[in-house]
This record gives sequence, C-alpha cells and structure tokens, in this order.
Amino acid sequence: KAGVTQTPRYLIKTRGQQVTLSCSPISGHRSVSWYQQTPGQGLQFLFEYFSETQRNKGNFPGRFSGRQFSNSRSEMNVSTLELGDSALYLCASSLGGNTGTEAFFGQGTRLTAV
Amino acid sequence: QQQVKQSPQSLIVQKGGISIINCAYENTAFDYFPWYQQFPGKGPALLIAIRPDVSEKKEGRFTISFNKSAKQFSLHIMDSQPGDSATYFCAAITGRRALTFGSGTRLQVQP
Repeated sequence: KAGVTQTPRYLIKTRGQQVTLSCSPISGHRSVSWYQQTPGQGLQFLFEYFSETQRNKGNFPGRFSGRQFSNSRSEMNVSTLELGDSALYLCASSLGGNTGTEAFFGQGTRLTAV
Repeated sequence: QQQVKQSPQSLIVQKGGISIINCAYENTAFDYFPWYQQFPGKGPALLIAIRPDVSEKKEGRFTISFNKSAKQFSLHIMDSQPGDSATYFCAAITGRRALTFGSGTRLQVQP
C-alpha cells in the first residue's frame, strides 16, 4: 500500500510569489490535513479537508488556503509568500471518521522563501 | 483546551537504558493518543498509539502508559539504541478534530 506522497520535496520561491504544494493520500483515506513545522513553533495545524470540504482550520492568515479533489488528493496554496513562511509543510492522511484514528504523514515539502 | 504539554524537551540516554517521555492534556474529549517519531528531513512516522480505555500498550521495545484520571500519558523506550535517536512527538485527537501535538522531545542515545 503506497504511503502519503507530497510534491515537490523542495521548493525555493521569491518573496511575494504564490506557491502550490500537492499531497496524495493513502488510498481509501478521505481526510487530508496540512501542518507547518518550524524549529521555533513546532507542528502547527493549518487545515483539514474531508470529502472535498474544509472541516477544520487552524490560526493561519488567509494567504494560506487549500482544496481537496474528488480523488482525495489535496493542494495547499500560499499566496504572497513571506520570508517567515519558510518551513517544512507536512500533510497527513487518515480515514477521517467520527473518532480519532491513525494519521500518516508524507515526507513533507521544504519551502524556502528568499 | 486543546494543548498537549510534553516533557522533557531533550533527553540523553545511554545505549541499553530506558527513555521516558511524558505528556499531559486538558481536553477530556480526546479519544486517541498517538506517538510519532521523526528523523531529520523526514515526516513524522506513527510509532504507537493508545485509546483511553486502555492503561498500557506495548509494541516491541515501545510502551505507552496511560493515566486517564491524571490526564497523562508517557512513552517508554526499553533497551534504547542509537538508532532510536530522533525527535518524538506525542499527540491527541478527538473525532473530527485535527491532531494536537506536543512540542517534541529530542532523544539522543549514546553508544
């Protein structure tokens, strides 16, 4: 069974640009969550999508957005990139049921804003 | 309250020793408590998890101890090995909510 796939693995973008990150969940998983990981702030929740609908949202500015497609693949978008957005962006997939369950992470996308 | 508090921040253990990482939570609605292991440059990998109706779960050298009344849970790594050197995160989740992570513990196992 294939794991969670994130592309690209590394991304260098100029401040002010827009970036799009992609996540393919484990087959059968309907929930995809996105996290930002930095040395100072740890793992911070961005948002979660379940069956193409945003179900949960963290405390990030509106420059961060996402979407989920009918095949459960998800994209995360950062508009007007800032230097402070440099981080490892992780997505996690899970079945997404009514009780907590296993969530599996991808390798992450290392985003560097210059 | 969604916070999960994790300690210690860093831990140095000799090879063959026992590594113990502790977490505490406030939200009694949490119903699933996983531990993740993360190596540099990699995403967190699910290590072991427990539900609050169980006081202990063991998988190989890894054991979770859960104290529901104290709202605390801990990870014990028996016979710690240099290959266990990584950052460990506890987490908690309830139903349709997102994972809430602890701040992480950097474990170093010295040979």
